[in-house]
Amino acid sequence: DQQVKQNSPSLSVQEGRISILNCDYTNSMFDYFLWYKKYPAEGPTFLISISSIKDKNEDGRFTVFLNKSAKHLSLHIVPSQPGDSAVYFCAARANAGGTSYGKLTFGQGTILTVHP
Amino acid sequence: DADVTQTPRNRITKTGKRIMLECSQTKGHDRMYWYRQDPGLGLQLIYYSFDVKDINKGEISDGYSVSRQAQAKFSLSLESAIPNQTALYFCATSVPGPPDTQYFGPGTRLTVL
Repeated sequence: DQQVKQNSPSLSVQEGRISILNCDYTNSMFDYFLWYKKYPAEGPTFLISISSIKDKNEDGRFTVFLNKSAKHLSLHIVPSQPGDSAVYFCAARANAGGTSYGKLTFGQGTILTVHP
Repeated sequence: DADVTQTPRNRITKTGKRIMLECSQTKGHDRMYWYRQDPGLGLQLIYYSFDVKDINKGEISDGYSVSRQAQAKFSLSLESAIPNQTALYFCATSVPGPPDTQYFGPGTRLTVL
């Protein structure tokens, strides 16, 4: 049962335009959502997170939007740069009974290619 | 120097061999994790450890074992490697508390022939 899904395996965008990466989830117990970026031959690196009590979090060119009713979140990158080309993973943390188990559930990833 | 290191970075082995992947961290984090990444499947949790005496199975622990030798070291073993264990393996660390951000090592590419 895939609790976190990234339905687009890949996305291609022109430099300077907006990149929108999407993520859907099924578990209503998720209380934090995170985005990670992964370059080839490197481990994933943390990009941005959002609490389930918020609907938007912004950090420079990166903004994450959360729509709880739709169980959907998206990462917007504006403007996109060739250096943003990477695999992006969506992840979610479940808060069961107020205890943090520290586990994250990851989506399948989306390959973003930004063309000059 | 990298905060989370993994050795080896690449390994080719044969079916039935025992293999150990090692992870070390200098971040001082108590929590450590092992994941595998397969194309199209994202990151799947194999084992996790919240301190030296606490080790737990993840989603896909069959065929794997772990050892937490110290706060800074967490090893993953494949007792008898099989070809479908060919994958990219990542170690990660974290501190407790939301959002439980995890910090990943560079990965080990394992090929089982």
